[in-house]
Amino acid sequence: DAKTTQPNSMESNEEEPVHLPCNHSTISGTDYIHWYRQLPSQGPEYVIHGLTSNVNNRMASLAIAEDRKSSTLILHRATLRDAAVYYCIFFYNQGGKLIFGQGTELSVKP
Amino acid sequence: ETGVTQTPRHLVMGMTNKKSLKCEQHLGHNAMYWYKQSAKKPLELMFVYSLEERVENNSVPSRFSPECPNSSHLFLHLHTLQPEDSALYLCASTLQAPGASGDTQYFGPGTRLTVL
Repeated sequence: DAKTTQPNSMESNEEEPVHLPCNHSTISGTDYIHWYRQLPSQGPEYVIHGLTSNVNNRMASLAIAEDRKSSTLILHRATLRDAAVYYCIFFYNQGGKLIFGQGTELSVKP
Repeated sequence: ETGVTQTPRHLVMGMTNKKSLKCEQHLGHNAMYWYKQSAKKPLELMFVYSLEERVENNSVPSRFSPECPNSSHLFLHLHTLQPEDSALYLCASTLQAPGASGDTQYFGPGTRLTVL
């Protein structure tokens, strides 16, 4: 199974940008990169996804390296409500499976 | 409100009990999933249903038995569980069948199961 590598934890200050890195050196050309986050006592929720180009939505931005072996989730202004575990995941284009790793636990300080 | 609900939210059961977890999605989706999330471990995909047909069973022990009577409901029947089965059980759904490029999974809040 393809694997992603993320730091176990990161800290941020409120109102500052956060860059969450992910390495996925074994990704194939048709695998989408998805980011989900899981707030305490909740199920995971979708944040953003992309294939090759950088993507923006109301929650975050996704910057994908040109060789697609890494990506970065960018939260432009962290809030206390953004404290969660962030998962960088492959979406298997053929199998439709999401393979979750350990994720990055983001803490936000006021 | 994610549109995916799960009941009960918490369940404590003995090893000889039989219980069921229920998941309901109000999104008009066509595929539903069961995941297991143990402490300190990544989410594990257990079962996948597409249009009420099981399309994937990831080597899950037979003491877990899924049922999908229609596209809106998914059950996980539990019997003779072990303490190591204690975990958060999450249900999810997608609009398209598994394998659709870039489809988003919508998760429920989970059922916290404790097996004594």
